[in-house]
Amino acid sequence: EAQVTQNPRYLITVTGKKLTVTCSQNMNHEYMSWYRQDPGLGLRQIYYSMNVEVTDKGDVPEGYKVSRKEKRNFPLILESPSPNQTSLYFCASSSPTGGVETQYFGPGTRLLVL
Amino acid sequence: AQSVTQLGSHVSVSEGALVLLRCNYSSSVPPYLFWYVQYPNQGLQLLLKYTSAATLVKGINGFEAEFKKSETSFHLTKPSAHMSDAAEYFCAATDTGGFKTIFGAGTRLFVKA
Repeated sequence: EAQVTQNPRYLITVTGKKLTVTCSQNMNHEYMSWYRQDPGLGLRQIYYSMNVEVTDKGDVPEGYKVSRKEKRNFPLILESPSPNQTSLYFCASSSPTGGVETQYFGPGTRLLVL
Repeated sequence: AQSVTQLGSHVSVSEGALVLLRCNYSSSVPPYLFWYVQYPNQGLQLLLKYTSAATLVKGINGFEAEFKKSETSFHLTKPSAHMSDAAEYFCAATDTGGFKTIFGAGTRLFVKA
């Protein structure tokens, strides 16, 4: 089954404790992206990656890091989480070659930073 | 900079009534436009997309949207609402490269029996 998976689905942590949210897709997509969803703000793009070893900032990259060492994986790293990073996070992937393709979204990771 | 505005954070309709969810974008160059639906505790699912082909775009579940360049709008409609349409709907725009995506704030649709 074609899908985007995220782990963990729910996470409670404390300020300053490094964490990683994993994202994996099995569709051989070149493009992957991370978003955060906050009430009243919709989804905001954090980082995106056009292919392996190619990443770029979205609209709200501060406090986040990403890496793309393999095509299927695109982890989101919070080196020193703060309470304002409490949010619902979504990973997405697509294959834009030949045009603008549909983004497939993961189920989301709900993060609470105390 | 691009922006996407959805008018109305909440819309309520009766079952069987017309659904109209409004989306306006700002850009000198029409971007690619999308409507997504999010059911509770789920990720986003594509309803339809505009990529400069036909201005009237048909999507899944009976939804359609019309791209109007003169009004910079991409409103979502469905002739007859079902209870199962109750969800949150997001309008989104991507740049011509298709990488950077801007979402609207979302509109929550309530369907009354």
